Amino acid sequence: GDQVEQSPSALSLHEGTGSALRCNFTTTMRAVQWFRKNSRGSLINLFYLASGTKENGRLKSAFDSKERYSTLHIRDAQLEDSGTYFCAAALTGYQNFYFGKGTSLTVIP
Amino acid sequence: DPKIIQKPKYLVAVTGSEKILICEQYLGHNAMYWYRQSAKKPLEFMFSYSYQKLMDNQTASSRFQPQSSKKNHLDLQITALKPDDSATYFCASSQEGGGQNTLYFGAGTRLSVL
Repeated sequence: GDQVEQSPSALSLHEGTGSALRCNFTTTMRAVQWFRKNSRGSLINLFYLASGTKENGRLKSAFDSKERYSTLHIRDAQLEDSGTYFCAAALTGYQNFYFGKGTSLTVIP
Repeated sequence: DPKIIQKPKYLVAVTGSEKILICEQYLGHNAMYWYRQSAKKPLEFMFSYSYQKLMDNQTASSRFQPQSSKKNHLDLQITALKPDDSATYFCASSQEGGGQNTLYFGAGTRLSVL
């Protein structure tokens, strides 16, 4: 079964607004990463967390291993934020990251 | 400049043939990986290598064989290709293995098996 459930699968935001993406895990994960797939199909690193929260500009991520979830908050969305966002979580000790199915974000003018 | 180079970007193969997907990283990382993304499925972990040694293998088929000729290379040889092997194959690396370091991905090789 899927180790990582990502929601929503698609999201539309008006410019300047914000929302949160979420990943729930079926078991305790030791780390999580968030990526955005760019127009070329490359996965761009956003955050790596082993615990707690991190913030970078208009993005903020949180990871609660005990409660088995991670979130990615986007505030003041801009058109260039459109894309597909993925979370991935590490279970074992050898970087076997399990990926969510992605959230397709569209920012509307 | 991309620091993880995957070649080729697109690859078309016939059923039963053999192909090698190339991956080189210039990040000075000691761990490298292969992931695969088939249509409408999440990225799936395939292999992890650390210091050129296999650490984890989640690929059921022996038709998939990683090859590490240098520390910064991890190629993927696929034999007896099947249409179900059609997918985008992503190479990744991290400073060390063990799940405690950020993963960096290449742009992928999109393989189509006819």
